[in-house]
Amino acid sequence: GENVEQHPSTLSVQEGDSAVIKCTYSDSASNYFPWYKQELGKRPQLIIDIRSNVGEKKDQRIAVTLNKTAKHFSLHITETQPEDSAVYFCAAIPRFINNNDMRFGAGTRLTVKP
Amino acid sequence: DSGVTQTPKHLITATGQRVTLRCSPRSGDLSVYWYQQSLDQGLQFLIQYYNGEERAKGNILERFSAQQFPDLHSELNLSSLELGDSALYFCASSVGLMAGEGDNEQFFGPGTRLTVL
Repeated sequence: GENVEQHPSTLSVQEGDSAVIKCTYSDSASNYFPWYKQELGKRPQLIIDIRSNVGEKKDQRIAVTLNKTAKHFSLHITETQPEDSAVYFCAAIPRFINNNDMRFGAGTRLTVKP
Repeated sequence: DSGVTQTPKHLITATGQRVTLRCSPRSGDLSVYWYQQSLDQGLQFLIQYYNGEERAKGNILERFSAQQFPDLHSELNLSSLELGDSALYFCASSVGLMAGEGDNEQFFGPGTRLTVL
């Protein structure tokens, strides 16, 4: 089955700096990679996603890059703001239609200091 | 508000007991997913239903079961509860079958916090 590793587990940055969170996956059949943001006590919310036929995707201050050969993908947040403080989860989903298994990384707690 | 509702919000029970968690998906969504979020294990996918049928399983224990009803709401049944079952249980819904296909984003409910004493 799929195994997703996420690093770092905690990340503290100064407001305005960039933050990068990395995930690696093991199953080469995974073809969909979403990122979720979870604020304390709240539900996970999708912030950006990427499919295996795309190398990079950007949405304002957030970008995701995917390296299929190395089986890793990264979340980049630029010009961080205090409201970016949350736990971020990556996930990898296999391709096979009967196995819609989502494996999440263990999460990264991002703190943006004002 | 994602449009996904879950009840109850909190549940406190004792070991050995059985509980039922309920989820109502967003209007028009046919897929329902259940997840368990423990403090030390992050988010774990449990099971997915699509239009009333089980479609995929993750790390769901045999003591746990789920179903999706004709009106598309879903219930997660947890039996013979153990202390380690204490967690946040999230339900999510999406329009279609395959996450990541088209605009098939998963929307999460607010969760049910289960405490087993």
